[in-house]
Amino acid sequence: EVQLVESGGGLVQPGRSLKLSCLASGFTFSNYGMNWIRQAPGKGLEWVASISSSSSYIYYADTVKGRFTISRDNAKNTLYLQMTSLRSEDTALYYCARGIRAPFAYWGQGTLVTVSS
Amino acid sequence: DIVMTQSPSSLAVSAGETVTINCKSSQSLLSSGNQKNYLAWYQQKPGQSPKLLIYLASTRESGVPDRFIGSGSGTDFTLTISSVQAEDLADYYCQQHYSYPNTFGAGTKLELK
Repeated sequence: EVQLVESGGGLVQPGRSLKLSCLASGFTFSNYGMNWIRQAPGKGLEWVASISSSSSYIYYADTVKGRFTISRDNAKNTLYLQMTSLRSEDTALYYCARGIRAPFAYWGQGTLVTVSS
Repeated sequence: DIVMTQSPSSLAVSAGETVTINCKSSQSLLSSGNQKNYLAWYQQKPGQSPKLLIYLASTRESGVPDRFIGSGSGTDFTLTISSVQAEDLADYYCQQHYSYPNTFGAGTKLELK
């Protein structure tokens, strides 16, 4: 069974940093591209970043480019999102999802990031 | 960037009705190479993660009831739910994965009348 479990969310002050993790199981992680998608409270879905299986291709939304870094460790079956210079508008539930240049067939349950002083 | 315009933003229905949700992309999602449309539909129930319903515009994901029908090509797409059931009350999103940045529609909230 495919499982994606996000962690690392929490309350952080504006301008600070936070690193999210997504632990994958139930499939060969190194064969799949991965994504971060976020959802602000009461709002819709926003794609954040994608990374190919070997990290050769990386894409970011303009809203996070230069502040967020997506990465992965295939030996640890883990996807990461390093977030710096956080803003109040980054407050959201952050999901990881499987698939690149493909629909997102599998999603985690999300980890909540709250940016507030 | 491809803009996805979804309508309506909300829809009040009675059980048993047929509903239609529209999604329009600012650029064609049809690949000239394989004639496939890179458009997906997701369902999100309160407190849950999104669930993939339809991909390639009209292919139902495994386990999705056949009352969910995706159609359209190019820039105009539709999700039809025939004979709506109470369990279908949720938010629905379209998404293009034709190019980066991937973009979602703003969503349609399906509510009980």
